[in-house]
Amino acid sequence: AQTVTQSQPEMSVQEAETVTLSCTYDTSESDYYLFWYKQPPSRQMILVIRQEAYKQQNATENRFSVNFQKAAKSFSLKISDSQLGDAAMYFCAYRRAPSGATNKLIFGTGTLLAVQP
Amino acid sequence: DAEITQSPRHKITETGRQVTLACHQTWNHNNMFWYRQDLGHGLRLIHYSYGVQDTNKGEVSDGYSVSRSNTEDLPLTLESAASSQTSVYFCASSEKGNNSPLHFGNGTRLTVT
Repeated sequence: AQTVTQSQPEMSVQEAETVTLSCTYDTSESDYYLFWYKQPPSRQMILVIRQEAYKQQNATENRFSVNFQKAAKSFSLKISDSQLGDAAMYFCAYRRAPSGATNKLIFGTGTLLAVQP
Repeated sequence: DAEITQSPRHKITETGRQVTLACHQTWNHNNMFWYRQDLGHGLRLIHYSYGVQDTNKGEVSDGYSVSRSNTEDLPLTLESAASSQTSVYFCASSEKGNNSPLHFGNGTRLTVT
């Protein structure tokens, strides 16, 4: 069975600084998707970034980028120029592919990020 | 705009009572999911459905049931609420296909006293 591990329950960063959130996963599949979701205090789940395992290039979305190391099964999220609005719980998630109609996500336990002014 | 709506946003109930949480989506998505979120566990899958009349158990399905009588709705029922079911519940939906993003509702906070 696939598992996702986030070893940092809490992290803190100064405004305008850079922070990296860690995620490792375990799978025997060769093709899959990885995601980072942000959950602010409003409880809304917001997709931050997505990575396809078959793509070697790391995904980037504005200030958010990932370091995808397939052999090491590592998928870290880097937030550059941190802003107060980045404060939230961040979840790493895994999904098998190809898998027909299956879109089940397996989540890590989350990392609570605080941004200090 | 299409959306996914959960109701109620907050619910307090007593042990042993039957509780139903509503989930309604206007995306016309085939796939719908129920997750529960607990500190230290992240989000765990309770039940999911790939279409009308289809339901499947997730990793933490004991004590929960779902039914899918139409495309838009996937209500989650707790047959006899237990304190261990105090949690935040999220509904999500997606199109068929591996490349389809999940759309989440805003969650229901359920407290069982």
